[in-house]
Parts: sequence; structure tokens; C-alpha cells
Amino acid sequence: QLQESGPGLVKPSETLSLTCTVSGTLMNYYSWTWIRQPPGKGLEWIGYVSDRGSPTYNPSLKSRVSMSVDAGKNQFSLSLSSVTAADTAVYFCARFLPGTANQDHWGQGKLVIVSS
Amino acid sequence: QSVLTQPPSASGTPGQRVSISCSGSHSNIGSNYVYWYQQVTGTAPKLLIYTSNQRTSGVSDRFSESKSGTSASLDISGLRSEDEADYYCAAWDDNLRGPVFGGGTKVTVL
Repeated sequence: QLQESGPGLVKPSETLSLTCTVSGTLMNYYSWTWIRQPPGKGLEWIGYVSDRGSPTYNPSLKSRVSMSVDAGKNQFSLSLSSVTAADTAVYFCARFLPGTANQDHWGQGKLVIVSS
Repeated sequence: QSVLTQPPSASGTPGQRVSISCSGSHSNIGSNYVYWYQQVTGTAPKLLIYTSNQRTSGVSDRFSESKSGTSASLDISGLRSEDEADYYCAAWDDNLRGPVFGGGTKVTVL
């Protein structure tokens, strides 16, 4: 199971921070990804981080994104800086196989609204 | 604007067959497997089909996928009311070095 946590409301220009807690499996040998879905729209890949903490980001967000993993706590995290209203979305964390589009286990999603 | 192109909607009556197309390019569908996700309103996407028409555990054999060149399609046979959902195609993109998604197709059972 995966569970997102973090603030549901972020002010414009501030940093969005979310954590995904993984249970029922070790984080070793998998990569872990963040995907978002603006209200009423489709899915957008944000990036992924390997079990060793090596990240790969979507070039369209690369300048504002940071991801890390804490295998000891079975958690990985997302930071997105300088947010605007366009970053309002449901943010999903998922288990991921690099080199594929295989996200086989997902969190329930966390709605983050960017508003003053 | 999504990298993969899907029709926004599809519909059918119970028992009918519905097909959802997904068009991409050589760097994604043309070179890699296509994955299909089902998303019921208000829930997370669920992996439906992976790696060349393999269904995840519990997925009905009414769901099948095919691929030709840079296009793929998801077929739902014997349409049922519980099939009402949004369906997304996805594939690894060699240029992006990440997964890309279609814009989603809303399936309605009339």
C-alpha cells in the first residue's frame, strides 16, 4: 500500500511538499514515482526516484522538482517549488518499473490546491 | 496536451464491443510496450494491461489490447455497466526517458 501525505493548500510561489509512505513491501529493487492529475484532466508524469535515491525528472518540471527516498522509513518525497495555480492537481505516488510505463501500485492521491 | 492521442469518449450498450485507440510515435509506442489504466471517478488509476496484452490479476479477459506500429487499441467486449470509467494508455518514451500518457477516454455504458 502507498499513502500520500502533506498540506492540501499551498500559497502561490511557495513550495509544495508531499511524502509517500510505503507499506507491505520493501523499497529495495523498485523505483518510485509521482504523477499528477489536474482537475478534470489527464495524467502527467512528474518524475521518479530509484531505491538508491537517484532521481529522473520530467524536463518540463525539472527546474522546480526534487525527489528523495528514505528507505529506512519506507518513504519517498516530492518537492515542487515556485508553485502557481497551474500546479493544482491530485498528486499520486506509485511503484514504478523504469524503462516501462508500469505503475502497478498507487496511492489514493492527494489533492493539492494552490491558492492564496 | 498529451503526448499520446486518445478519443475523449466512447460508448456502447451492454454486451457490445468498444474499442479505444491510442496513437503515438516511434519513440514511445513504436519502440516500447503499451500499458492501459482504468480510472473510476474519484479513485486512483488501476493497471489493467501490461507488457503485450498481459492482464493484471483479477482483470476480466473481456479486456484485450493490440498494437501496430505507432498505434495501439484497447478492446472491451461484452460491455458491462461496471466498465464505465476513464481509460488511459501509456508507454515509455525513449526521448523523454520517462512514461507518457494519453489524454484519457471516458467510456459510457448506455
